[in-house]
Amino acid sequence: EIVLTQSPGTLSLSPGERATLSCRASQSVSSNYLAWYQQKVGQAPRLLSYGASYRATGIPDRFSGSGSGTDFTLTISRLEPEDLAVYFCQQYSSSPWTFGQGTKVEIK
Amino acid sequence: EVQLLESGGGLVQPGGSLRLSCAASGFTFSSYAMNWVRQAPGKGLEWVSGINSSGGRTYYADSVKGRFTIFRGNSENTLFLQMNSLRAEDTAVYYCARAGGPGGGATDYWGQGTLVTVSS
Repeated sequence: EIVLTQSPGTLSLSPGERATLSCRASQSVSSNYLAWYQQKVGQAPRLLSYGASYRATGIPDRFSGSGSGTDFTLTISRLEPEDLAVYFCQQYSSSPWTFGQGTKVEIK
Repeated sequence: EVQLLESGGGLVQPGGSLRLSCAASGFTFSSYAMNWVRQAPGKGLEWVSGINSSGGRTYYADSVKGRFTIFRGNSENTLFLQMNSLRAEDTAVYYCARAGGPGGGATDYWGQGTLVTVSS
């Protein structure tokens, strides 16, 4: 089983600042089958990025995914108040498909 | 518009059974793999089970293997999760989610979830 470890646990930033979220895998994620999701309070998750670096349909370009192998990053270039949420990474290269524990983004 | 509507959640005693359903619309259901993902209260996401587009391949998390069964009715555009021998630790919101392709992929659409509570 591939274990995903996200850091930091909580990120507190001001609007307009850059947020960098990390996801590290216990073994290489083949084909970079790594996705990022955003989950706001009381809502279902929403796909932000797949294949490590492809932006999902309708996602603003301030969200970008990068990385390969075992180290992946989600960057929010300019934080907006509506970006308050928990962000999860997920690998879908080998069963069981696993999620990271999440990074909570707080807006100051 | 892609829609996924879960139903079947509720309160069940430990050791009991429930069957969750997910009615899909707005896309060609038989062309996509599907997943169940759960979230315990205040916790993170846990993938539970997946099935390919034809229903011929199924996958399970170790935590539910042997107790849960995923299956689908492509003619009815419906995904199911049969849950037996339920435990307190199965208490969670269960989401139905579409994978990006017939064999799997990132989950690109999610339902709103159905709450399963296992308690005496």
